[in-house]
Amino acid sequence: QSVLTQPPSASGTPGQRVTISCSGSSSNIGGNSVNWYQQLPGAAPRLLIYSSNQRPSGVPDRFSGSKSGTSASLAISGLQSDDEADYYCAAWDDSLSGVLFGRGTKLTVL
Amino acid sequence: QVQLLQSGAELKTPGASVKVSCKTSGYTFSYYAMHWVRQAPGQGLEWMGWINADNTRTKYSPMFQGRFTITRDPSASTLYMDLNTLTYEDTAIYFCARDVGAPGSPLDYWGQGTLGTVSS
Repeated sequence: QSVLTQPPSASGTPGQRVTISCSGSSSNIGGNSVNWYQQLPGAAPRLLIYSSNQRPSGVPDRFSGSKSGTSASLAISGLQSDDEADYYCAAWDDSLSGVLFGRGTKLTVL
Repeated sequence: QVQLLQSGAELKTPGASVKVSCKTSGYTFSYYAMHWVRQAPGQGLEWMGWINADNTRTKYSPMFQGRFTITRDPSASTLYMDLNTLTYEDTAIYFCARDVGAPGSPLDYWGQGTLGTVSS
């Protein structure tokens, strides 16, 4: 089963801006929206970005998403210690007829 | 408020089956598709399958085809998963999640997770 490609780790200092990439193919990101999830240690995932660039209510505008072709990215500005978590991209895959997740990116706030 | 409350931790031996429930509240259960996602220790999220809102269609990941079943009981607003022929590699936290709408829609609410341990 194919997966979406994310860097395993990312880091930044408080106040900094970091981006996390997510690469896929025409059967998933290329033709469908991308959703991003945040998973704090020991917790269930939480929807962070949907439809590639929309924020659910309650998600700070420090979080933003974008998509171009078969790639997407999550940007976090004004980095805070509370942002330390695992971040997963996900997209529907037309070949699988199911959801594909990235392997996750562990964000460390230095 | 929307809540997804999953059943408690399970300990099973290899070859056995496990059934996990996900009781929902705070919304109209029959209006939304539902998914199961699992996470092995120290690993990422793995999609297992989904069931549509009106209980007429399911789709499973090829990784679980043949030994995984999703069902839902509208009268109890509860989602279920059955995984059989368990192996040690099935040790994971199992999450239920609500699908906002059409396939590809985001999973906007998640259960707290159920730890399933396979051990002899």
